[in-house]
This record gives sequence, structure tokens and C-alpha cells, in this order.
Amino acid sequence: QVQLQESGPGLVKPSQTLSLTCTVSGVSISSGSYYWSWIRQPAGKGLEWIGLIYTSGSANYNPSLKSRVTMSLDTSKNQFSLKMRSVTAADTAVYYCARINWNLIHYYYYYYMDVWGKGTTVTVSS
Amino acid sequence: SSELTQDPAVSVALGQTVRITCQGDSLRTHYVSWYQQKTGQAPVLVIYAKSNRPSGIPDRFSGSGAGDIASLTIAGAQAEDEADYYCNSRDSSGNHSYVFGSGTKVTVL
Repeated sequence: QVQLQESGPGLVKPSQTLSLTCTVSGVSISSGSYYWSWIRQPAGKGLEWIGLIYTSGSANYNPSLKSRVTMSLDTSKNQFSLKMRSVTAADTAVYYCARINWNLIHYYYYYYMDVWGKGTTVTVSS
Repeated sequence: SSELTQDPAVSVALGQTVRITCQGDSLRTHYVSWYQQKTGQAPVLVIYAKSNRPSGIPDRFSGSGAGDIASLTIAGAQAEDEADYYCNSRDSSGNHSYVFGSGTKVTVL
């Protein structure tokens, strides 16, 4: 059974760096069959995709966050991480990690987030 | 970047059918997936590749769509189906990025 678990500080001061880790169990993050992603949700609001990281270690980010975000892999620990710099109160949210699964049908690729962590709340406040 | 538009809220009588829609340009070129999120819980995948149900999802959930509109239908809605529902697809910008719909709150009366 594949499980994802987010961890990291629940409180970050404004202008500092938010750092979260997602620990994956039940599958190797080195498997080329999946990508690994972060999503966040401010209280009472919708889901916002933050970015994804490939097994190669390269990453794609939401254009609105790209200048502040870095994702990385630690294959020895089967973890992937998120760093977000220069945080403000607007970055206060529940942060989820998720697995992106993909396949091919009728000559088109399709993608979906089939396994999610339970989420971790991050508050940005002094 | 792309946007996916959903109606903010919809209500359905217990046992009746409700359809939720999602509209956006990215749906013309990328498959949609749908997620159910109950209060205080992580999202759960209910439909992928427009119309496929993961194992464990009741068959009262179905997906369809054409062009720039996708739909999620709950046939015979149950009390436990009350939740927020989000659509999602790859962005149509050409980068490998994703966009979520704004979400629809489904209330079962």
C-alpha cells in the first residue's frame, strides 16, 4: 500500500523559508512510472498546484510561484522536498504531497494524482 | 496559464442525480480528473482520464465530457457524497504543469 506523509515546521516567520518533506512508503520514488507533486490549500479556499519533480530530479513549477520554489529528491530516504523562500501570510495553507500517475490511451497521455498525503498545516506568522 | 471554471455550489436531494461541470480550454487537449474532498480531509481521486473510476470508488460516480467541458455525475447521491469536488487537468500552456478548478460544494439534502 502506497502512503505519503508530509512533515515540517508548522510555523514559519515572514520572509523566511518554508521547508517541507514528503516521505513515501510502498513504492520507490525512483520508479519512472510516477512523478511527485506538491499542492496547497489556504483555509476555506481551493486547491493550488505548486509543482512536480521527475525521478531525474528536474522539476516544473506553477508560474506564479516559480521564483520562490525549489523541489528536490532524496532517493536514499525515499523522500522529496519543497522549499519556498520569502514567505508571507498569503502562503499560510495546508500543504499536500501527492503522486502523479500517468498512462497512455488512444495515443494521448493522461495524468492524475492517485495518492495523497494527509496534509500538513503551515502558518506564516511572526 | 489555463483556468478551469466550476459552479461554486449545487444541492441534490438524497437518492437523486447531480451533475457537476468543469469548463476550460485545457480540456480540449488534456484529460480531466476529479477529486472529492470532505471537510478536514485530503482530496481523494474519484475519476481519472475523463471517465475512469479507481478501484473502491462506487459506480454511482461517473465522468464524461467533450470539447472544453467535463462533467462528474453522481447518480443516486448519498449523504456521504456531501463534499467539495475539484476538477484538474494539465495546463494547456505547453509546460508540464497542472491547474485545478475552483471547486464545487455538493450538499445532499
